[in-house]
Amino acid sequence: AQRVTQPEKLLSVFKGAPVELKCNYSYSGSPELFWYVQYSRQRLQLLLRHISRESIKGFTADLNKGETSFHLKKPFAQEEDSAMYYCALSGGNTGKLIFGQGTTLQVKP
Amino acid sequence: GAGVSQSPSNKVTEKGKDVELRCDPISGHTALYWYRQSLGQGLEFLIYFQGNSAPDKSGLPSDRFSAERTGGSVSTLTIQRTQQEDSAVYLCASSWTSGDPYEQYFGPGTRLTVT
Repeated sequence: AQRVTQPEKLLSVFKGAPVELKCNYSYSGSPELFWYVQYSRQRLQLLLRHISRESIKGFTADLNKGETSFHLKKPFAQEEDSAMYYCALSGGNTGKLIFGQGTTLQVKP
Repeated sequence: GAGVSQSPSNKVTEKGKDVELRCDPISGHTALYWYRQSLGQGLEFLIYFQGNSAPDKSGLPSDRFSAERTGGSVSTLTIQRTQQEDSAVYLCASSWTSGDPYEQYFGPGTRLTVT
């Protein structure tokens, strides 16, 4: 079964501290993995996807097929990073997304 | 340009009533998705439309839920005989195509409250 697991509901760090939001997935084929972010009172938006291998707003995520993980990392958290983060998986040819439960990141000053 | 729009932004209805939620995708986007965001279930896929193909309804939670997409553009999600567990934020998203990991653009959502 396709499943995305984000074990942490809330992650609270101080400004300047490193951040790692965990994501594990279950999928039988070769999935596409994404991180979506929802800032307060804003729409859900794409942060990054594994095929792009890019860094957005200082965030990176590496797909580890052996561990079936796609953790989101940032070396130095900023207050404006405070938001809800969703890990998502897309498989097959429809593009529909299977989301994790989400992790609220709170960056304290 | 204009993004995905949804209406109404908020809907309060009594248990047992029918509701219709509307989604206007980005012009030219051929794929349209409905998701539900609720406290207990997180973000769940409901239904997907791609061009003139038959929709993927695999995420609809019951036969009280249905959706249509007219003219390949506007979509309406209908919930019949609403129940309290239907209370959630209903999100619509659109993208250029399916089958490839193109970015899905989300609307602001419709917050449905069933009393």
